[in-house]
Amino acid sequence: QSVLTQPPSVSAAPGQRVTISCSGSSSNIENNYVSWYQKVPGTAPKLLIFDTDKRPSGIPDRFSGSKSGTSATLGITGLQTGDEADYYCGTWNGSLSGGVFGGGTKLTVL
Amino acid sequence: EVRLVQSGAEVKKPGEFLKISCKGSGYSFTSYWIGWVRQMPGKGLEWMGIIYPGDSDTRYSPSFQGQATISADRSISTSFLHWSSLKASDTAIYYCARLYYDSGSYLDYWGQGTQVTVSS
Repeated sequence: QSVLTQPPSVSAAPGQRVTISCSGSSSNIENNYVSWYQKVPGTAPKLLIFDTDKRPSGIPDRFSGSKSGTSATLGITGLQTGDEADYYCGTWNGSLSGGVFGGGTKLTVL
Repeated sequence: EVRLVQSGAEVKKPGEFLKISCKGSGYSFTSYWIGWVRQMPGKGLEWMGIIYPGDSDTRYSPSFQGQATISADRSISTSFLHWSSLKASDTAIYYCARLYYDSGSYLDYWGQGTQVTVSS
């Protein structure tokens, strides 16, 4: 099991909005920034959100991140078929031994 | 342009030695941690460990301590992941990524991944 808990799958229609949750604890999410990664099968993961709510250059503002307590959320608006992918949250584990990922959420755009 | 280029796919037998590589370019290789991430078939991303090429300080995720070894050669801007004796359960795709570590920490640039297949 992953340290961070995500729903295995979410789905929505094109143009709709979807949110993906990431639940952790006081030793990870609550006291650290959260990042989100998009993973399309056959390609490397791509950074979508860093420092909980910031987008790297080139990531559209349809993607957003937020956090409250021990949980974080990735929001995607104006869904497109090209958004179909696995999404992973990540954060620091509280000491410099590295980070942790969530188990991943498969997004299906119906 | 920041780039991380990994070595090619490997097919090995159980018990064999393997070393895969990740070469960085377009930035100061010794100034950023490199992280290694595993993705087993049909599974999610797993954080294996990190190395700081500047001084080879290495930290392992508890789940991966003793499973594989992370190293780096700063003279060629390359990090390595190696196994002394592979197991079938090491079959996975392995990614390296640059770790941006400040107030926040995140993996901002990723290698293309190296497929490792261990089968008798």
